Amino acid sequence: KNQVEQSPQSLIILEGKNCTLQCNYTVSPFSNLRWYKQDTGRGPVSLTIMTFSENTKSNGRYTATLDADTKQSSLHITASQLSDSASYICVVSDRGSTLGRLYFGRGTQLTVWP
Amino acid sequence: EADIYQTPRYLVIGTGKKITLECSQTMGHDKMYWYQQDPGMELHLIHYSYGVNSTEKGDLSSESTVSRIRTEHFPLTLESARPSHTSQYLCASRRLADSTDTQYFGPGTRLTVL
Repeated sequence: KNQVEQSPQSLIILEGKNCTLQCNYTVSPFSNLRWYKQDTGRGPVSLTIMTFSENTKSNGRYTATLDADTKQSSLHITASQLSDSASYICVVSDRGSTLGRLYFGRGTQLTVWP
Repeated sequence: EADIYQTPRYLVIGTGKKITLECSQTMGHDKMYWYQQDPGMELHLIHYSYGVNSTEKGDLSSESTVSRIRTEHFPLTLESARPSHTSQYLCASRRLADSTDTQYFGPGTRLTVL
Protein backbone atom coordinates (compact mmCIF):
# COMPACT_ATOMS: atom_id res chain seq x y z
CA LYS A 1 0.00 0.00 0.00
CA ASN A 2 1.34 3.41 -0.97
CA GLN A 3 1.77 5.51 2.14
CA VAL A 4 3.56 8.60 3.43
CA GLU A 5 4.36 8.81 7.13
CA GLN A 6 5.63 11.94 8.84
CA SER A 7 7.19 12.55 12.23
CA PRO A 8 6.90 14.15 14.62
CA GLN A 9 3.20 14.93 14.50
CA SER A 10 3.87 18.27 16.19
CA LEU A 11 6.92 20.23 17.25
CA ILE A 12 7.51 23.37 19.31
CA ILE A 13 10.81 25.23 19.06
CA LEU A 14 12.15 28.62 20.08
CA GLU A 15 12.78 31.31 17.52
CA GLY A 16 16.27 31.08 16.07
CA LYS A 17 16.64 27.35 16.67
CA ASN A 18 17.01 24.70 13.97
CA CYS A 19 14.75 21.69 13.49
CA THR A 20 14.41 18.63 11.27
CA LEU A 21 11.19 17.01 10.11
CA GLN A 22 11.05 13.43 8.85
CA CYS A 23 9.16 11.69 6.08
CA ASN A 24 9.10 7.96 5.23
CA TYR A 25 7.26 6.68 2.19
CA THR A 26 6.36 3.40 0.51
CA VAL A 27 5.14 4.86 -2.79
CA SER A 28 6.18 2.92 -5.84
CA PRO A 29 7.04 3.60 -8.58
CA PHE A 30 8.54 6.84 -7.35
CA SER A 31 8.56 10.03 -9.40
CA ASN A 32 9.35 12.87 -7.02
CA LEU A 33 9.03 14.05 -3.43
CA ARG A 34 7.89 17.47 -2.47
CA TRP A 35 7.63 19.40 0.78
CA TYR A 36 4.72 21.81 1.12
CA LYS A 37 4.16 24.50 3.75
CA GLN A 38 0.57 25.08 4.78
CA ASP A 39 -0.24 28.10 6.90
CA THR A 40 -3.36 27.89 9.05
CA GLY A 41 -6.45 28.47 6.94
CA ARG A 42 -4.49 28.53 3.67
CA GLY A 43 -3.69 26.13 0.88
CA PRO A 44 -0.32 24.30 0.71
CA VAL A 45 2.58 26.04 -1.02
CA SER A 46 5.45 24.05 -2.54
CA LEU A 47 8.85 24.53 -0.85
CA THR A 48 11.11 21.99 -2.56
CA ILE A 49 10.87 19.15 -5.04
CA MET A 50 13.35 16.31 -5.52
CA THR A 51 13.49 13.57 -8.12
CA PHE A 52 15.05 10.15 -7.71
CA SER A 53 18.57 11.32 -8.57
CA GLU A 54 18.62 14.32 -6.23
CA ASN A 55 19.91 14.01 -2.67
CA THR A 56 19.41 17.53 -1.44
CA LYS A 57 17.58 20.70 -2.41
CA SER A 58 17.61 24.07 -0.68
CA ASN A 59 15.18 26.96 -0.67
CA GLY A 60 16.49 29.71 1.57
CA ARG A 61 16.48 28.46 5.14
CA TYR A 62 14.78 25.22 4.09
CA THR A 63 16.91 22.23 3.06
CA ALA A 64 15.38 18.94 2.02
CA THR A 65 17.23 15.65 1.70
CA LEU A 66 16.19 12.46 -0.02
CA ASP A 67 17.47 8.90 0.35
CA ALA A 68 15.68 6.97 -2.37
CA ASP A 69 17.22 3.68 -1.21
CA THR A 70 15.72 3.84 2.26
CA LYS A 71 12.72 5.89 1.06
CA GLN A 72 13.30 8.62 3.58
CA SER A 73 13.32 12.38 3.36
CA SER A 74 13.94 15.17 5.81
CA LEU A 75 13.28 18.88 5.87
CA HIS A 76 15.74 20.97 7.86
CA ILE A 77 14.79 24.49 8.89
CA THR A 78 17.64 26.75 9.90
CA ALA A 79 17.37 29.75 12.22
CA SER A 80 13.62 29.43 12.61
CA GLN A 81 11.36 32.46 12.49
CA LEU A 82 7.88 33.04 13.86
CA SER A 83 6.55 32.93 10.30
CA ASP A 84 7.76 29.34 10.00
CA SER A 85 4.86 28.28 12.24
CA ALA A 86 2.78 26.11 9.92
CA SER A 87 2.07 22.54 8.91
CA TYR A 88 4.75 20.95 6.72
CA ILE A 89 3.45 18.26 4.43
CA CYS A 90 5.48 15.63 2.63
CA VAL A 91 3.98 14.68 -0.74
CA VAL A 92 5.16 11.87 -3.00
CA SER A 93 4.22 11.52 -6.65
CA ASP A 94 4.11 8.16 -8.39
CA ARG A 95 5.13 7.51 -11.93
CA GLY A 96 2.56 4.86 -12.56
CA SER A 97 -0.53 6.77 -13.53
CA THR A 98 -1.46 9.41 -16.05
CA LEU A 99 -3.22 11.21 -13.23
CA GLY A 100 0.14 12.07 -11.69
CA ARG A 101 -1.10 10.72 -8.41
CA LEU A 102 0.01 12.48 -5.24
CA TYR A 103 0.26 10.80 -1.86
CA PHE A 104 0.05 13.14 1.11
CA GLY A 105 1.41 12.78 4.62
CA ARG A 106 -0.56 14.12 7.55
CA GLY A 107 1.96 16.86 8.12
CA THR A 108 4.08 18.05 11.02
CA GLN A 109 2.61 21.00 12.87
CA LEU A 110 5.50 23.32 13.71
CA THR A 111 5.10 26.10 16.26
CA VAL A 112 7.88 28.65 16.71
CA TRP A 113 7.78 30.57 19.98
CA PRO A 114 9.44 33.92 20.54
CA GLU B 1 1.72 33.14 -5.41
CA ALA B 2 -0.57 30.92 -7.43
CA ASP B 3 -3.46 32.49 -9.35
CA ILE B 4 -6.12 30.16 -8.04
CA TYR B 5 -9.07 31.45 -6.08
CA GLN B 6 -11.75 29.93 -3.91
CA THR B 7 -14.96 31.45 -2.60
CA PRO B 8 -16.33 31.64 -0.07
CA ARG B 9 -13.39 31.30 2.33
CA TYR B 10 -15.70 30.42 5.21
CA LEU B 11 -19.27 29.10 5.12
CA VAL B 12 -21.60 28.15 7.96
CA ILE B 13 -24.85 26.62 6.79
CA GLY B 14 -27.75 24.56 8.06
CA THR B 15 -28.45 20.92 7.30
CA GLY B 16 -30.28 20.27 4.05
CA LYS B 17 -29.13 23.39 2.23
CA LYS B 18 -27.67 23.27 -1.25
CA ILE B 19 -24.23 24.87 -1.56
CA THR B 20 -21.70 25.51 -4.29
CA LEU B 21 -18.02 26.09 -3.59
CA GLU B 22 -16.33 28.12 -6.30
CA CYS B 23 -12.83 27.57 -7.68
CA SER B 24 -11.22 29.57 -10.46
CA GLN B 25 -7.70 29.69 -11.86
CA THR B 26 -6.21 32.13 -14.34
CA MET B 27 -3.15 30.06 -15.27
CA GLY B 28 -4.81 28.17 -18.13
CA HIS B 29 -4.20 24.86 -16.37
CA ASP B 30 -5.90 21.80 -17.83
CA LYS B 31 -6.06 19.65 -14.73
CA MET B 32 -8.02 20.66 -11.67
CA TYR B 33 -8.63 18.90 -8.38
CA TRP B 34 -10.77 19.04 -5.27
CA TYR B 35 -9.40 17.79 -1.96
CA GLN B 36 -11.02 17.38 1.44
CA GLN B 37 -8.90 17.95 4.54
CA ASP B 38 -9.85 17.44 8.17
CA PRO B 39 -7.70 18.92 10.99
CA GLY B 40 -4.46 17.02 11.48
CA MET B 41 -5.25 14.67 8.62
CA GLU B 42 -3.91 14.24 5.10
CA LEU B 43 -5.56 15.67 2.01
CA HIS B 44 -7.98 13.30 0.31
CA LEU B 45 -8.76 13.60 -3.38
CA ILE B 46 -12.52 13.72 -4.00
CA HIS B 47 -12.78 14.95 -7.62
CA TYR B 48 -10.54 15.78 -10.55
CA SER B 49 -10.80 16.95 -14.13
CA TYR B 50 -8.49 16.65 -17.14
CA GLY B 51 -10.18 19.50 -18.98
CA VAL B 52 -13.49 20.89 -20.18
CA ASN B 53 -16.36 18.37 -19.89
CA SER B 54 -14.09 15.91 -18.05
CA THR B 55 -14.82 15.00 -14.42
CA GLU B 56 -13.83 11.97 -12.38
CA LYS B 57 -14.31 10.82 -8.82
CA GLY B 58 -11.26 10.62 -6.59
CA ASP B 59 -10.20 8.18 -3.91
CA LEU B 60 -12.47 9.41 -1.15
CA SER B 61 -16.14 8.83 -1.72
CA SER B 62 -18.03 12.11 -1.65
CA GLU B 63 -21.66 13.06 -2.06
CA SER B 64 -20.59 16.23 -3.81
CA THR B 65 -20.62 16.75 -7.58
CA VAL B 66 -18.44 18.89 -9.84
CA SER B 67 -18.64 20.40 -13.31
CA ARG B 68 -16.07 21.74 -15.79
CA ILE B 69 -17.81 23.85 -18.38
CA ARG B 70 -14.92 26.30 -18.70
CA THR B 71 -11.19 25.65 -18.35
CA GLU B 72 -10.76 28.18 -15.58
CA HIS B 73 -13.78 27.20 -13.47
CA PHE B 74 -14.32 24.02 -11.40
CA PRO B 75 -17.21 24.42 -8.94
CA LEU B 76 -18.17 21.80 -6.35
CA THR B 77 -21.81 21.36 -5.33
CA LEU B 78 -23.46 19.68 -2.36
CA GLU B 79 -27.19 19.18 -3.03
CA SER B 80 -28.09 18.66 0.64
CA ALA B 81 -25.45 19.56 3.20
CA ARG B 82 -25.04 17.43 6.33
CA PRO B 83 -22.88 17.84 9.45
CA SER B 84 -20.62 15.05 8.14
CA HIS B 85 -19.68 17.40 5.28
CA THR B 86 -18.01 19.79 7.71
CA SER B 87 -14.41 20.05 6.56
CA GLN B 88 -11.90 22.16 4.66
CA TYR B 89 -12.13 21.91 0.87
CA LEU B 90 -9.05 22.72 -1.20
CA CYS B 91 -8.99 23.26 -4.94
CA ALA B 92 -5.80 22.78 -6.97
CA SER B 93 -4.67 22.92 -10.58
CA ARG B 94 -1.67 21.99 -12.71
CA ARG B 95 -0.46 22.07 -16.31
CA LEU B 96 -1.07 18.87 -18.22
CA ALA B 97 2.49 18.95 -19.62
CA ASP B 98 4.20 19.51 -16.27
CA SER B 99 6.20 16.33 -15.62
CA THR B 100 6.87 17.33 -12.02
CA ASP B 101 3.15 17.08 -11.16
CA THR B 102 3.29 20.45 -9.41
CA GLN B 103 -0.16 21.31 -8.15
CA TYR B 104 -1.02 24.86 -7.14
CA PHE B 105 -3.51 25.17 -4.34
CA GLY B 106 -6.17 27.71 -3.60
CA PRO B 107 -6.66 29.11 -0.07
CA GLY B 108 -9.46 26.69 0.74
CA THR B 109 -13.05 26.91 1.90
CA ARG B 110 -13.80 26.06 5.50
CA LEU B 111 -17.32 24.57 5.54
CA THR B 112 -19.33 24.08 8.72
CA VAL B 113 -22.73 22.40 8.52
CA LEU B 114 -24.88 22.78 11.62
